[in-house]
Formats: sequence, C-alpha cells, structure tokens
Amino acid sequence: DIVMTQGALPNPVPSGESASITCQSSKSLLHSNGKTYLNWYLQRPGQSPQLLIYWMSTRASGVSDRFSGSGSGTDFTLKISSVEAEDVGVYYCQQFLEYPRTFGGGTKLELK
Amino acid sequence: EVKLVESGGGLVQPGRSLKLSCAASGFSFNDYWMGWVRQAPGKGLEWIGEINQDSSTINYTPSLKDKFTISRDNAQNTLYLQMSKLGSEDTAIYYCARAGTGHWGQGVMVTVSS
Repeated sequence: DIVMTQGALPNPVPSGESASITCQSSKSLLHSNGKTYLNWYLQRPGQSPQLLIYWMSTRASGVSDRFSGSGSGTDFTLKISSVEAEDVGVYYCQQFLEYPRTFGGGTKLELK
Repeated sequence: EVKLVESGGGLVQPGRSLKLSCAASGFSFNDYWMGWVRQAPGKGLEWIGEINQDSSTINYTPSLKDKFTISRDNAQNTLYLQMSKLGSEDTAIYYCARAGTGHWGQGVMVTVSS
C-alpha cells in the first residue's frame, strides 16, 4: 500500500497569515499521463470531508482561490493564503493512483 | 444537486452483522463508481472500498476484504455495505462517496458494543 505522511502545523495560525501543509507519499503519484493522483480534503468540525484539490493542483468547484496545491511526485504542499475562520478543521491528503486508496493521517489547523 | 444519504447505522453487538445503505439522488447513479470511507471517533479517514458501475469490479482495503462486502442496486440508486463479524474496532462514522468527484454523504454512526 502507498503510505501517506502528513506534517503538522505550528498551531494556532494567526488570522490573515498563510499556512502550508505538507504531505509525502511512499511512492511517486505521477502517472505516465503526466497527472499526479493526489487529492486534498478539508473536514470542518462535525462535517463530512470536502474536496479542495484534485490532480495535485486543480481546485474543486467552488473552492476559494486562497487554496493552492503544488508538489513533485512524492512531496506535496497545500498552501492556504490569508487563513480565515472557515478554514479551521483537519486537512487530509489522499492518493488515488493505486488501490487501496490511502489517506494521510490528517493535519489540524487552528486559528489564533 | 448530488445527494447521498446513509442509513442503517446504530448500536450492534460484537460478532454480529449490519448492512448500511446509501441512497443516491441528483445524478445518474449507474454512471459512477461509488465507495465507502469510515472514520473512528477522533481518528482519521480510512478508505474501505469502491465498486464500479455494473458491479463487475470491487476493490477493498486488504484488512477489511474478508468482513465487508460492497454492493449496489442501480435500479434503486442505492449503494450497500454489508459488515460481518463486527468488533469494537469497527465503531466509526461510515461515509458513502461518489468516487473521484468529492461528493460525500453526511455519514452514519455505527457503534459496536455489548
């Protein structure tokens, strides 16, 4: 199985500051078709996860442009510019290159 | 609007079985892969498995393959998760999801306890 490892945030994050969440995969998620098979989700308290980013850097419909995804084949970053109250929750990366699909352990964002 | 509504959860004794349902609406159900994800209390997300449009291909996370079965009824626009030999480690919120599109249900709680 592909193991996904997420980094921690130096919480709490001051409102209006930027935050970067890292994720590392045990195998390259870059397919021969040129796409990188990585999703980012946000799970707000008490809610279902919401898809933010797919194909490593494509924002899902309706997602603020304050969210951006980048990376290489095995190292990925989700950047949140100008953190707001609605960004509070747990962020998860997920690979969908192979079965079983696997998630990172989650990164909690708290607001100052 | 895409809507996924899980049902069938509740309190179940260890060793027993339980079948969850996910009613889909707002899209052409038989055009999509569907899947299940669970989340134990205070823990992260665990992918359970996915089923393709005509049920000819089902993928599971290996550790759950022998106790969980995913199925679907395209005529009823419903996805199922049959769970057997339940233990306390299966206590979780179970989410159904339309694979690859970011649409998830609100989840249903399953508690395994005597």
